[in-house]
Amino acid sequence: GENVEQHPSTLSVQEGDSAVIKCTYSDSASNYFPWYKQELGKRPQLIIDIRSNVGEKKDQRIAVTLNKTAKHFSLHITETQPEDSAVYFCAAISEDNQFYFGTGTSLTVIP
Amino acid sequence: DTEVTQTPKHLVMGMTNKKSLKCEQHMGHRAMYWYKQKAKKPPELMFVYSYEKLSINESVPSRFSPECPNSSLLNLHLHALQPEDSALYLCASSHDPGLATNEQFFGPGTRLTVL
Repeated sequence: GENVEQHPSTLSVQEGDSAVIKCTYSDSASNYFPWYKQELGKRPQLIIDIRSNVGEKKDQRIAVTLNKTAKHFSLHITETQPEDSAVYFCAAISEDNQFYFGTGTSLTVIP
Repeated sequence: DTEVTQTPKHLVMGMTNKKSLKCEQHMGHRAMYWYKQKAKKPPELMFVYSYEKLSINESVPSRFSPECPNSSLLNLHLHALQPEDSALYLCASSHDPGLATNEQFFGPGTRLTVL
């Protein structure tokens, strides 16, 4: 099966700085990589995703990059704001259509 | 309707109680999922229903019993739970179980406490 690793487990940044969260995966057949944001006590919500035929995708302050050869993908948040504080989970969807979540990154943006 | 709903929001139960969690979606999704989530940990997959049939059961204890009465509803029946089963139980759905690139839509979860 797939194995997804996520780093760092905690991240603190000053407001306005950038934040980067990295994930690696093991199954080269995985072809869909979503990122979920989960605020305290709330449901995970999809913030951005990338498919294996694309190397980079951007949506305003959020971007995701994918390196299929190295089997890693990263979330980039620029101009961070306090409301970006949350736990972020990466995931990889394997050929058998199962979600494999990373271990999560707790991001704190310090005002 | 573009949401997954779950009831109840919170549930406190004793170890001898029987209770059920409910999940509903009206997006026409044909895959539905139950996850268990402990604080600051990723969701752990428990069950997957594909076209109303149980397709994946991730070695979950029998005190958790899923049921999919129709394509819009998913239940999780609870019996003789242990305190370590206290967690957030999340339901999710996705459009087509056969598609490899499927966004999962999560419900708000049921916060379960077992005393």
